[in-house]
Amino acid sequence: EVQLVESGGGLVQPGGSLRLSCAASGFTFLNHDISWVRQAPGKGLEWVAAIITSGVAYYADSVKGRFTVSRDNSKNTLYLQMDSLTAEDTAIYYCTKDHSLYPWGQGTLVTVSS
Amino acid sequence: DIQMTQSPSAMSASIGDRVTITCRASQGINNYLAWFQQKPGKVPKPLIYAASSLESGVPSRFSGSGSGTEFTLTISSLQPEDFASYYCVNHDSYPLTFGGGTKVEIK
Repeated sequence: EVQLVESGGGLVQPGGSLRLSCAASGFTFLNHDISWVRQAPGKGLEWVAAIITSGVAYYADSVKGRFTVSRDNSKNTLYLQMDSLTAEDTAIYYCTKDHSLYPWGQGTLVTVSS
Repeated sequence: DIQMTQSPSAMSASIGDRVTITCRASQGINNYLAWFQQKPGKVPKPLIYAASSLESGVPSRFSGSGSGTEFTLTISSLQPEDFASYYCVNHDSYPLTFGGGTKVEIK
């Protein structure tokens, strides 16, 4: 069964940093693009970043220069390093696979607040 | 980056109604348009990919159409379990972009 499990969320102060992880199983991780998508409370879905099989990363303008996506194919794990966090980054963060954006993990909640 | 404009942002409908949601891309996306359904507290569920292909297991009352920059999701006869939010997404090339969403509520 293809599965994605996010972790690492929590409460962080404005200006702080957090690193999220996405553990993948049930498929050949290194052969697939993986994206991060977030959803602020009561708001819509926002694509955040992706890393493709070659290791090239893409970012939404809203996080460019603050977030860094990386992958460890030996651990079947995706990471999202989030720096200079603001209240606008408060959201559930999901990881999802390929351009098809399927499946999704259950998400991890990031709250940026003092 | 490609912008996706989805309309309406919210709507009220009755059981049995035909519902149409529209998504417009700021430039052509080679028909790489997907639709997702999301219920409160749940993970988004894919309905349609490549503008008009139905995902496995999705009821046939859901259909997608369109090409170029204009796309439509149609629910032919709204059922109680269809009250949810719907999102289009450009999945042509990175950066991917979602529409703002449509919340379908009970009239």
